[in-house]
Amino acid sequence: GENVEQHPSTLSVQEGDSAVIKCTYSDSASNYFPWYKQELGKRPQLIIDIRSNVGEKKDQRIAVTLNKTAKHFSLHITETQPEDSAVYFCVAAGNTPLVFGKGTRLSVIA
Amino acid sequence: ETGVTQTPRHLVMGMTNKKSLKCEQHLGHNAMYWYKQSAKKPLELMFVYNFKEQTENNSVPSRFSPECPNSSHLFLHLHTLQPEDSALYLCASSQDRGSGQPQHFGDGTRLSIL
Repeated sequence: GENVEQHPSTLSVQEGDSAVIKCTYSDSASNYFPWYKQELGKRPQLIIDIRSNVGEKKDQRIAVTLNKTAKHFSLHITETQPEDSAVYFCVAAGNTPLVFGKGTRLSVIA
Repeated sequence: ETGVTQTPRHLVMGMTNKKSLKCEQHLGHNAMYWYKQSAKKPLELMFVYNFKEQTENNSVPSRFSPECPNSSHLFLHLHTLQPEDSALYLCASSQDRGSGQPQHFGDGTRLSIL
């Protein structure tokens, strides 16, 4: 089955700096890669997703990249703000429902 | 967003109790999911229902019993739970079980087993 590895587990950045979270997946059949943000005590919420026929996608300060050959995908947040502080999960899906990474706790220091 | 509603939000129960968690979605979706979220662990998929039929059971102990009477409602019946079952239980829904379907989550039920 699919296995998703996510790094780092914790990340602290200064407000205004960029943050990058990286993930790898194992199943070459996976073709859908959403990212979820979970603020403390709240539900996971979809913030951006990418499909395997696309290499990069951007939405304002958030961008995702996908390297199908290497089975890597990454989340990039630019100009970070305190409200970006949360746990971020990368996910891979294909023949199976969503398989989540272990999460990255991002802290943006004002 | 209140598309997926879970009740209760918090539940404390003893190991010999029987209780049920409820999930309701108002998004017109056909697939519903139960996840367990423990501290320092990724979200663990427990059960998947597609058009009211259970399509996946990820080796979940029989003390957890799901029920899906229709595409809008999902229950998780609990009995004889163990302390290690204390966790946040999240319900989610998607258009159907197919690949490439974003899932919408509820706020979860925080379960504590005494």
